Order: sequence, then C-alpha cells, then structure tokens
Amino acid sequence: KAGVTQTPRYLIKTRGQQVTLSCSPISGHRSVSWYQQTPGQGLQFLFEYFSETQRNKGNFPGRFSGRQFSNSRSEMNVSTLELGDSALYLCASSLLGITNTEAFFGQGTRLTVV
Amino acid sequence: QKEVEQNSGPLSVPEGAIASLNCTYSDRVSQSFFWYRQYSGKSPELIMSIYSNGDKEDGRFTAQLNKASQYVSLLIRDSQPSDSATYLCAADSGGYQKVTFGTGTKLQVIP
Repeated sequence: KAGVTQTPRYLIKTRGQQVTLSCSPISGHRSVSWYQQTPGQGLQFLFEYFSETQRNKGNFPGRFSGRQFSNSRSEMNVSTLELGDSALYLCASSLLGITNTEAFFGQGTRLTVV
Repeated sequence: QKEVEQNSGPLSVPEGAIASLNCTYSDRVSQSFFWYRQYSGKSPELIMSIYSNGDKEDGRFTAQLNKASQYVSLLIRDSQPSDSATYLCAADSGGYQKVTFGTGTKLQVIP
C-alpha cells in the first residue's frame, strides 16, 4: 500500500513568487491536513480538507490556501512568498479525519525562499 | 492559546535504560493523543495513539494518559541507539483533524 506522496521534495523560490505543493494521500483516505514545520515554531497546522471541503484552518495569513480534488489529492498554494515561509511543508492523510483516526505523514516539501 | 508542551531536551539515556518522555496539554476538550517519532531530516512517524486514561503498551513503547492532570507520557523500554530521534506529542483540538503538536523532545540513546 503506497504511502502519502508529496511533490516536489525540494523547491527554491524568490520572494514575491508563488508556489504550489501537491499531496497524494493513502488510497482510501479522504482527509488531508497540511502543516508547516520550522526549527523555531515546530509543527503548525495550516488547514484540513475532507471531501473537497476545507473543514478546519489554522492561524496563517490568507496567502496560504489549499484545495482538494475529487480523488482526494490536495494542493497547497502560497502566494507572495516571504523569507519567513522557508520551511518543511508536510501533509498528512487519514481515513476519515474525525477524532480517533491516526494521521500519516508524507516526506514533505522543503521550500526555500531567497 | 491551546498548547501542547514538551521539554525540548536533549534527554540522554544509556542503551538498555528506560526513556521517559512527558507532555502536558492545555485544552480540556482534547480526546485523542498521539506520539510521533521524527528522525533528523525525515517526516514524523506515528508510533502510539491513546484515547483513554491509563496505559497502552505496544512492544517496547508504553503511552500513559491522565486526563485529570492533562498529562501524557511515553516510556521506551530497553532503549536502543536507533531510538535516538525527536519525539512529538500531539493532541486533537476537538475539531476535525485539527491536531496541535508540541515542539518535541530530542532523545539521545548513548551506546
């Protein structure tokens, strides 16, 4: 059974640009969550999608957005990149996304903004 | 601010000893708790989940939950150098998959 797949693995972008990250969940999983991980702040919740609907959102500016497709694949977009957006972006999938359902992480996308 | 707090460490234990990792959470509505292991440069890997007060054992790992004290712990018996990693404690926040993570405790197992 394939795990969670994130693409690309590494990205280098310039300030002001935008970027789109992709996440393919485990087959059958309908919930995809996105997290930002930095050395100083740890893992911070961005948002969660279930059946193409955003159900929950963390405390990030509107420059961070996402969507989910009918096949449960999800994309995250960051517009007008800032140096502080440099981080490891992780997505996690779970079967239903309700309490008591464990989440499994992808390998992450390492974004560097220069 | 709903938080999950962990001592950042590093926690150093000799090989074969018991490593004890602790975590407190502030949101009383939290019902599900998770321990993830993260090796340097890798993504977090789920190792334990616990939902009820008491102990839950899985191999060398035991998770303990005390909701009255808002306290979660992870015990690793017979620690091995391969257990050296950062351990993240996480708690759900009552919403769908809105999980709050602690900043992690770095564990070093000394051969």
